[in-house]
Amino acid sequence: LAKTTQPISMDSYEGQEVNITCSHNNIATNDYITWYQQFPSQGPRFIIQGYKTKVTNEVASLFIPADRKSSTLSLPRVSLSDTAVYYCLVGSSNTGKLIFGQGTTLQVKP
Amino acid sequence: ETGVTQTPRHLVMGMTNKKSLKCEQHLGHNAMYWYKQSAKKPLELMFVYSLEERVENNSVPSRFSPECPNSSHLFLHLHTLQPEDSALYLCASSQGTGLAVSYEQYFGPGTRLTVT
Repeated sequence: LAKTTQPISMDSYEGQEVNITCSHNNIATNDYITWYQQFPSQGPRFIIQGYKTKVTNEVASLFIPADRKSSTLSLPRVSLSDTAVYYCLVGSSNTGKLIFGQGTTLQVKP
Repeated sequence: ETGVTQTPRHLVMGMTNKKSLKCEQHLGHNAMYWYKQSAKKPLELMFVYSLEERVENNSVPSRFSPECPNSSHLFLHLHTLQPEDSALYLCASSQGTGLAVSYEQYFGPGTRLTVT
């Protein structure tokens, strides 16, 4: 199953767009890519999921290139409340294996 | 609130104790999960239950014993734990059956376990 790698931390300012990239070089055909957000003392919360190309919902966009070896979570116009840890997850719909990345701590500054 | 509750929120236990963690989901989901989250490490999937049957067990030591009496409840029974088992234990649920990991998971707040 694909190992995932993402930056340990990122800083941003309010109102900016933030892009967090996750590498998953060994992703398999049946693997999905999911991103979660986690605040202190809470469980992770689903943000977005995709298989290929681009997915957009009311809070984020997910960009997946054709080779699917990486994915980028895009958060438009972040606010202070977006300060959290963001996890990339690659999951196999065949085997049920789930591999979380180390997480990216996003600090949004005023 | 995510619709997934966990009790207790905090637990301190000695290495010879036996305790249980409880998870309950109010979302009508078919699948439930146990994860371990240690400091500075990724979330580790421990167990997956689908329609009350265990479908995944990621080489977890036998001192962790899961139980799923129905689709709404999940337990993690703990006995003779080690200090390195101290972590945040998260429960999650999702729609779908089997190994349908394409469904989004709803996590509880976790139980902070300290083994002394």
